[in-house]
Amino acid sequence: AQSVAQPEDQVNVAEGNPLTVKCTYSVSGNPYLFWYVQYPNRGLQFLLKYITGDNLVKGSYGFEAEFNKSQTSFHLKKPSALVSDSALYFCAVRVGNSGTYKYIFGTGTRLKVLA
Amino acid sequence: AAGVIQSPRHLIKEKRETATLKCYPIPRHDTVYWYQQGPGQDPQFLISFYEKMQSDKGSIPDRFSAQQFSDYHSELNMSSLELGDSALYFCASSPGLTVEFEQYFGPGTRLTVT
Repeated sequence: AQSVAQPEDQVNVAEGNPLTVKCTYSVSGNPYLFWYVQYPNRGLQFLLKYITGDNLVKGSYGFEAEFNKSQTSFHLKKPSALVSDSALYFCAVRVGNSGTYKYIFGTGTRLKVLA
Repeated sequence: AAGVIQSPRHLIKEKRETATLKCYPIPRHDTVYWYQQGPGQDPQFLISFYEKMQSDKGSIPDRFSAQQFSDYHSELNMSSLELGDSALYFCASSPGLTVEFEQYFGPGTRLTVT
């Protein structure tokens, strides 16, 4: 079965420190991986995606993610965390075939950046 | 830039009532997806439409139905509502079915069933 795992329910980091939010995946074929952020009572906002090419993907708000095929991981990173980065982060994989693509989401990781 | 519009933003219904949620995709987006996010849970795919035809079906109960209209807006119809249907319902749109297109999410409709 195709799935996405986010092993940490919550990650705490001090402001200014680097942050990592972990994601691993299990898919057949090439993985199409995405990160979204959700603020309280808000919709999901796209951060970045990996389709093909360079393993290091840069996205919105200074976030980046590294695709590692051997470890089947797509961890989200930021060199210096901001308090305003505190939110719920979802990793997702897009699965399907021509004509039908949907997301499978991980269970989410709550990031708390402490001032 | 225009975003996905969902209405209503909040809806309170009683058990066994019906509800209709509406989604207006970003202009020129022909693909619409519906997701259900229960309290403290990840979004679960319900159903999707491409060019007014159902393209995929996920964990959508038989009590729910949906369609996409000629102007590409979509409606999710929910009947015989149960307490467990209380959730945040997201609509997302994309400019096609090619895999590299990300989905753009609306703000969601929060449905509370009492």
